[in-house]
Amino acid sequence: QVQLVQSGAEVKKPGASVKVSCKASGYTFTGYYIHWVRQAPGQGLEWMGWINPNSDGTNYSQKFPGRVTITRDTSMSTVYMELSSLISDDTAVYYCARDSCSHGGTCPFDHWGQGTLVTVSS
Amino acid sequence: DIVMTQSPDSLAVSLGERATINCKSSQSLLYSANNKNYLAWYQLKPGQPPKLLIYWASAREPGVPDRFRGSGSGTDFTLTISSLQAEDVAVYYCQQYYDTPPYTFGQGTKVEIK
Repeated sequence: QVQLVQSGAEVKKPGASVKVSCKASGYTFTGYYIHWVRQAPGQGLEWMGWINPNSDGTNYSQKFPGRVTITRDTSMSTVYMELSSLISDDTAVYYCARDSCSHGGTCPFDHWGQGTLVTVSS
Repeated sequence: DIVMTQSPDSLAVSLGERATINCKSSQSLLYSANNKNYLAWYQLKPGQPPKLLIYWASAREPGVPDRFRGSGSGTDFTLTISSLQAEDVAVYYCQQYYDTPPYTFGQGTKVEIK
């Protein structure tokens, strides 16, 4: 079955960077885009960006100019999301999610990782 | 960006009664070439990741109980839980995937038991 397993919780100081991993299994890793979505405490869901694991192409939300980088390691079937220049407002649960359409397209997200809590605090 | 607005922000419904959540988009999500509405609904419970319930506005994801029904077209959509069960207590989000990036979500509707 499709599984996305994320790395554990992180505590970072303002100005630092965090890198969260998302290991995929149960399907062809290069066949489906992976998205990153976050939820801050008491807030809604916010899309951050996607990666095409086949081509390494990426697309990011303009709300994170130059701060978010999504990469992949096809040998490990793992996607990484790095967020830099952290501020307290970046405290949130970060999710990876699989696009439901194979090889891209505009589609909803059918499988999600368990979430990774990132706390930014001095 | 397409703005998604849900109503109400929260609602309390008795067990076995109907719950209705509305979602309005700032522009039409209907693609005329395939007559599909690019609108999904997710359920989010505390400590769990979001779960896809409905896509293409009215298609139920496999395994989702048939008491969950999506409807609507264009800019106005509804998620109906026909007979609320205790396990349905959650926050529900609509999402548009018509004009991306970005993929945008509504602000969420919290469903509780009265």
